Amino acid sequence: KQEVTQIPAALSVPEGENLVLNCSFTDSAIYNLQWFRQDPGKGLTSLLLIQSSQREQTSGRLNASLDKSSGRSTLYIAASQPGDSATYLCAVSNDYKLSFGAGTTVTVRA
Amino acid sequence: EAGVVQSPRYKIIEKKQPVAFWCNPISGHNTLYWYRQNLGQGPELLIRYENEEAVDDSQLPKDRFSAERLKGVDSTLKIQPAELGDSAVYLCASSLEGRSTDTQYFGPGTRLTVL
Repeated sequence: KQEVTQIPAALSVPEGENLVLNCSFTDSAIYNLQWFRQDPGKGLTSLLLIQSSQREQTSGRLNASLDKSSGRSTLYIAASQPGDSATYLCAVSNDYKLSFGAGTTVTVRA
Repeated sequence: EAGVVQSPRYKIIEKKQPVAFWCNPISGHNTLYWYRQNLGQGPELLIRYENEEAVDDSQLPKDRFSAERLKGVDSTLKIQPAELGDSAVYLCASSLEGRSTDTQYFGPGTRLTVL
């Protein structure tokens, strides 16, 4: 069974600081990895999807890397803003099924 | 383009009562998913539909949970009877074809509280 772990569980940073969120998974036979954002009381919004053949994906201030062989992904958020405060979840795809981590709750202080 | 629609957004019931959740996926999306998210955890898949067919319901507690997707569009998830441990957020998602490379789009969820 795929196990996905996200560390740290919570993170608080001052505005402008870069964010580094980590995700690890136990089964490297994945199709892709996604990073999602979840705001309180809301659903999940897909931020980045990295196919298993790719090493990284970028969107604006977001950059995600994937090292499939070591079972790790990192989400970087540059120059954080208070609006980046949310819970960030990573999910890996095995055979059409998404397995999620528990998320990292980020607070960006103004 | 409208996103995934779910209703109700919140539901509070007494234990042993029945409850139902409704989901309307993005137009044209053939694959529909129901997830359950317990507090402080990531979502876990309950059931996946390809059109009308439930192709993966291995994680659905079939003694009390049931789901249907008539006509391959909207879907209903039912719990009867509800237990205290069923308190969670129930998320519906859809994707175009259900391929592993497809992005899943999530609705806002239904927050269930069982008293």
